[in-house]
Amino acid sequence: SQTIHQWPATLVQPVGSPLSLECTVEGTSNPNLYWYRQAAGRGLQLLFYSVGIGQISSEVPQNLSASRPQDRQFILSSKKLLLSDSGFYLCAWRGRTETTPSNQPQHFGDGTRLSIL
Amino acid sequence: AQSVTQLDSHVSVSEGTPVLLRCNYSSSYSPSLFWYVQHPNKGLQLLLKYTSAATLVKGINGFEAEFKKSETSFHLTKPSAHMSDAAEYFCVVSGATNKLIFGTGTLLAVQP
Repeated sequence: SQTIHQWPATLVQPVGSPLSLECTVEGTSNPNLYWYRQAAGRGLQLLFYSVGIGQISSEVPQNLSASRPQDRQFILSSKKLLLSDSGFYLCAWRGRTETTPSNQPQHFGDGTRLSIL
Repeated sequence: AQSVTQLDSHVSVSEGTPVLLRCNYSSSYSPSLFWYVQHPNKGLQLLLKYTSAATLVKGINGFEAEFKKSETSFHLTKPSAHMSDAAEYFCVVSGATNKLIFGTGTLLAVQP
């Protein structure tokens, strides 16, 4: 069966420090991968998605970046964190599909709670 | 363009009573619709999905949803609420690309 892992579960960082959040998927090949942010009391905001190694699409301008160095690894980074980067970060994967729009759901990790001080 | 509207931001029920969480969608083609549940400080868990097969969809934990094209609705129901059902619920439609369109969520409280 497929599983998705995110770490760390919680992180407290000072303003201006770098960030690296990692997400890995097991049990599937060539998945679509997604990074979301969920601010307190708000819905999910799609940050990045990837359809393959080295292929990253950015949804919103920000000081965050994403990379996909391996098929089942997705990394969210920042060189200098801002207070507004606080939130709950979720990674998700979806299997490949030939239909448009896709009728397959996304599957989410347990998230990382990021607090910026 | 696709969109979803969750009609209630908060719903409170008593344990053992029915649950109804309302969702309307807008789509220019036959949609794929999903309900997810999120417990505090956890990721989203898929409850059920509609993908143009049976209009009454059964999911996990006793939840079900009915796709009504004439009403553009996909309401989530459960006959009898448990305390463990207290969580936030998201109605989601699959967009034209690789993206999902999320509703703003409904927070379900279950009173003892």
